[in-house]
Amino acid sequence: EAQVTQNPRYLITVTGKKLTVTCSQNMNHEYMSWYRQDPGLGLRQIYYSMNVEVTDKGDVPEGYKVSRKEKRNFPLILESPSPNQTSLYFCASTVPGLAYNEQFFGPGTRLTVL
Amino acid sequence: AQKITQTQPGMFVQEKEAVTLDCTYDTSDPSYGLFWYKQPSSGEMIFLIYQGSYDQQNATEGRYSLNFQKARKSANLVISASQLGDSAMYFCAMREGRESNFGNEKLTFGTGTRLTIIP
Repeated sequence: EAQVTQNPRYLITVTGKKLTVTCSQNMNHEYMSWYRQDPGLGLRQIYYSMNVEVTDKGDVPEGYKVSRKEKRNFPLILESPSPNQTSLYFCASTVPGLAYNEQFFGPGTRLTVL
Repeated sequence: AQKITQTQPGMFVQEKEAVTLDCTYDTSDPSYGLFWYKQPSSGEMIFLIYQGSYDQQNATEGRYSLNFQKARKSANLVISASQLGDSAMYFCAMREGRESNFGNEKLTFGTGTRLTIIP
C-alpha cells in the first residue's frame, strides 16, 4: 500500500529545544515536500526536494532545515523552535502521472511550541 | 494578490442537496493544474479531483465535478447529493507550469471552506 508516514503525529515542546519530524514514503518517489497549515492561511510550502541531496526553499523556509540523504526519507528539522512555528505540518511526495502529478500527503504532525 | 481565493469560509447544506464550493485563481502561466482536497476532522488531506488548464471538458470523479470556467479563472467544486460524511474542510489548490516539467511541484492553496452537512 502506497504510504507517506510522519512521526511523531503530535508533539508539544518548549522554545529552543531542537526537534526533528520524520517523513518516509514507500513509493520510490523522487519529489518530496513539506507544508505547514495555519488557520486562515491554508497550506504553505516550507521546503522541497527533487531528489537525493537536492533540496530547495519553498515559500516559508525561515526557521527550518531539511535533508535528503536517501530517497525514501525527508526529515524536517527545527533547530530552535519558536511559538510561531506552532502549526500542523504535512509531508508530501509526488508521483508523476500520465495526466498530472499527484501529491500524496502524510497524516500530518501537530506541533505546539510553548 | 492571492493566487487562490476561496470566498466562503463556511457553508451549511441540507443532506442530499447539491453543493458548490467556489474557487478563483490568478496566474499568468498558460499551463497550470487545479486540485481539490478534502480535510476531515481527523486532519488528513484527501485528493478529490484535478483539472488541467488545457482540458477541454470539466473533470468528474463520482459525486464530485469541477465547474471550470477558464475565462473567469474559476474552478468551483460541485458535490452532488451531499452526505453527512462530506462534512469537512475543502481546499482548492493550483500548480503552475506544465506537468511534464518535473520542477517544483509546489501547490498553492486557498484558505479553505468548511462544509457542514445538516441531517
